[in-house]
Amino acid sequence: EVQLVESGGGLVQPGGSLRLSCAASGFTFSTYEMDWVRQAPGKGLEWVAYIYGSGSTIYYADSVKGRFTISRDNAKNSLYLQMHSLRVEDTAIYYCARHSTSSYYMDVWGKGTTVTVSS
Amino acid sequence: SYELTQPLSVSVALGQTAKITCGGNNIANKNVHWYQQKPGQAPVLVMYRDSNRPSGIPERFSASNSGNTATLTINSAQAGDEADYYCQVWASNTGVFGGGTKLTVL
Repeated sequence: EVQLVESGGGLVQPGGSLRLSCAASGFTFSTYEMDWVRQAPGKGLEWVAYIYGSGSTIYYADSVKGRFTISRDNAKNSLYLQMHSLRVEDTAIYYCARHSTSSYYMDVWGKGTTVTVSS
Repeated sequence: SYELTQPLSVSVALGQTAKITCGGNNIANKNVHWYQQKPGQAPVLVMYRDSNRPSGIPERFSASNSGNTATLTINSAQAGDEADYYCQVWASNTGVFGGGTKLTVL
């Protein structure tokens, strides 16, 4: 069964850091591009970051550029999101999603991990 | 940056046809994808590349894309279709989601 399981969320103060992880199983992780997508409480979906299968190409939303870093470890079938300088507005459920190469859609999603930025 | 516009809400009577629109500049030139999200759950892909259904998605779901508007159509709407629906495209190396439409089945 194809599965994505996020972890690492929690409560952090403004200006703090947090590292999210996403464990992949049931497919050849290294051959798939991956995304992070977030959803603030009561709001819509917001794309956050993308990484190519080899990690050679990375894109970020303007709202997180310079503060967040997406990475992956194909040997561990894992995706990461390192978040620094966190702001209250970064409070959200963070989903990792498998990215279909053919037409840039997200065909498998994890259940998400919650990040709360508050003092 | 590219923007997608969706109505905040759409209502449909049980068993009738619901149409959810997604507006964007020359959106017909892009591949549009649709996601369904029920309360407390992760999004689920329901249509990809304008009009293709993933396995497991009922044939009642269809979609089209023309001009400046993409449309998700749900025939014979069921109570279980009540959810938020999001359109999505890829533009200038970024993912773009519409604001989402809450579908209410009356």
